Amino acid sequence: ETGVTQTPRHLVMGMTNKKSLKCEQHLGHNAMYWYKQSAKKPLELMFVYNFKEQTENNSVPSRFSPECPNSSHLFLHLHTLQPEDSALYLCASSPGDQLAGPNTDTQYFGPGTRLTVL
Amino acid sequence: GDSVTQMEGPVTLSEEAFLTINCTYTATGYPSLFWYVQYPGEGLQLLLKATKADDKGSNKGFEATYRKETTSFHLEKGSVQVSDSAVYFCALGLSGTDKLIFGTGTRLQVFP
Repeated sequence: ETGVTQTPRHLVMGMTNKKSLKCEQHLGHNAMYWYKQSAKKPLELMFVYNFKEQTENNSVPSRFSPECPNSSHLFLHLHTLQPEDSALYLCASSPGDQLAGPNTDTQYFGPGTRLTVL
Repeated sequence: GDSVTQMEGPVTLSEEAFLTINCTYTATGYPSLFWYVQYPGEGLQLLLKATKADDKGSNKGFEATYRKETTSFHLEKGSVQVSDSAVYFCALGLSGTDKLIFGTGTRLQVFP
């Protein structure tokens, strides 16, 4: 039980579809993250939200659009994706507020959404 | 720039063998260091961490020591079990940010 849930667990979409990934954390955390995990590549940080404000956008293409309506929910809206966007998308949360000192927080991950773009 | 380098996998061991997975890092300042583990079909979970030089993190029989002089954080376990089969990620946390920088991961396969 990680306290971070993601839906759906699997998603197959065409390049012209629009879909959304959802992440919810039940840990009372203030920071939430989207990562992309592709085979044989390091885990890629995509976005960071702290207290609902985006604090990091790691040069992610605009076909990925995040939304953080509150500290417990994080969405990733997808449109006109490419086959190379197929990957496991992981959401994580952490207590947050690390911007003023050493980064010692543990990040808690959800199980991921396996996305296949046809 | 800041980065983490892990040994290539897979690492294949027999049950009760000794495990070492190497991790070295490049970072400015004083990062924190982490090992995360990913079991099949799951997200990553923290295995252990160390927040300053010479600290030793330990959990479930795994250990890693933060060596600033060699910029390393190697993961060790004295006797692995089949249930330890997973992918292990080394990561560093940069001061003044929420970001973690991960290595590519090392797959461990333990056979009975």
